[in-house]
Amino acid sequence: KNEVEQSPQNLTAQEGEFITINCSYSVGISALHWLQQHPGGGIVSLFMLSSGKKKHGRLIATINIQEKHSSLHITASHPRDSAVYICAVRGYSGGGADGLTFGKGTHLIIQP
Amino acid sequence: DGGITQSPKYLFRKEGQNVTLSCEQNLNHDAMYWYRQDPGQGLRLIYYSQIVNDFQKGDIAEGYSVSREKKESFPLTVTSAQKNPTAFYLCASSADFLRTGQETQYFGPGTRLLVL
Repeated sequence: KNEVEQSPQNLTAQEGEFITINCSYSVGISALHWLQQHPGGGIVSLFMLSSGKKKHGRLIATINIQEKHSSLHITASHPRDSAVYICAVRGYSGGGADGLTFGKGTHLIIQP
Repeated sequence: DGGITQSPKYLFRKEGQNVTLSCEQNLNHDAMYWYRQDPGQGLRLIYYSQIVNDFQKGDIAEGYSVSREKKESFPLTVTSAQKNPTAFYLCASSADFLRTGQETQYFGPGTRLLVL
């Protein structure tokens, strides 16, 4: 089973700072997801990556398949970015629903 | 609007009682999932269903049961056999990955279950 490690576990930064959250996994994957969980508990899917880089607004996600590593970057961070960011990976065991393994999440707080 | 709804938002269970958590989606998704989230841990898969009238156990299915009689609905029952049910429960759905290649999971708002 894939081991998914996120770092840091907790991150507090000032508004406007550039934020990087890291995700490493132990076994080759077919796709990696970045999710955002707000204090109320609801989860939103931010990105799905299988290679390269994706950008959406101030969010950028990159993945290095050879190094088994992905990063989520937030530019010009804002207090509304405060949330838990979760990395999840899908292995090659099948295309079905059972393939996702989740990291424990990174708790981000952006102070004004 | 399309989406996933879960009810109730908070649920209290007494000792020895079975409780059922509701999950409904109008996204026309084939696959549905139930996850459990505990403090300091990643989401763990309880059950999943790829098609109506079929479901499979996830990593922590003991003490739980599900049904999938309709495409839109995937209720989860927490039975009295689940000795530590206090957690945040999340339902999700996705299109058929094998058929569409799309695997983004859409999550409901969650149900927080507390034991009295």
